[in-house]
Amino acid sequence: AQSVTQLDSQVPVFEEAPVELRCNYSSSVSVYLFWYVQYPNQGLQLLLKYLSGSTLVKGINGFEAEFNKSQTSFHLRKPSVHISDTAEYFCAVSGYGGSQGNLIFGKGTKLSVKP
Amino acid sequence: DSGVTQTPKHLITATGQRVTLRCSPRSGDLSVYWYQQSLDQGLQFLIQYYNGEERAKGNILERFSAQQFPDLHSELNLSSLELGDSALYFCASSVDTNTEAFFGQGTRLTVV
Repeated sequence: AQSVTQLDSQVPVFEEAPVELRCNYSSSVSVYLFWYVQYPNQGLQLLLKYLSGSTLVKGINGFEAEFNKSQTSFHLRKPSVHISDTAEYFCAVSGYGGSQGNLIFGKGTKLSVKP
Repeated sequence: DSGVTQTPKHLITATGQRVTLRCSPRSGDLSVYWYQQSLDQGLQFLIQYYNGEERAKGNILERFSAQQFPDLHSELNLSSLELGDSALYFCASSVDTNTEAFFGQGTRLTVV
């Protein structure tokens, strides 16, 4: 069965600093990997996804992630964060049948960007 | 705005009661997914429907049921509610099972 571990529950960072949010997954089959963002009182918005091909995936709002099969990781990075990036970030792996909607989520990482 | 509409936005009800949450998918989307987000369990997949038929089931309690109607909207029915059912319930939709899913803003259910 698949599972996702987000290694940090909270990450405080200063504005314009780089940030990395860590995600490890466990799966016995090939998977699709996703990062979603949830702003306060909002739904989930897809930041980026890895389905196949290049292991470096670029998403919206300047975020990128690298798929590392040997380390079963899919860490999210941004070179310079803004106050508006303050939100909760969820890593997810595809569930049954490789569906992009049937997802197994990590517990989330709260990113707090301070001025 | 993702194009997925969930109603109501907030719902407060008493233990033992039954509620229905509604989801209208994006135009053209055939697949609907339901998720529960709680402090204890995090985000959990409950159930998926595709073009009116159940496609996949996750950690959905027997007290909960869902259906997708011919016009493709979906309803999640929660009965014999307990305090622990208080959570944010999300609906998502996608064109089919192998394309990106878009999430609604959720229904916040409070059981008192």
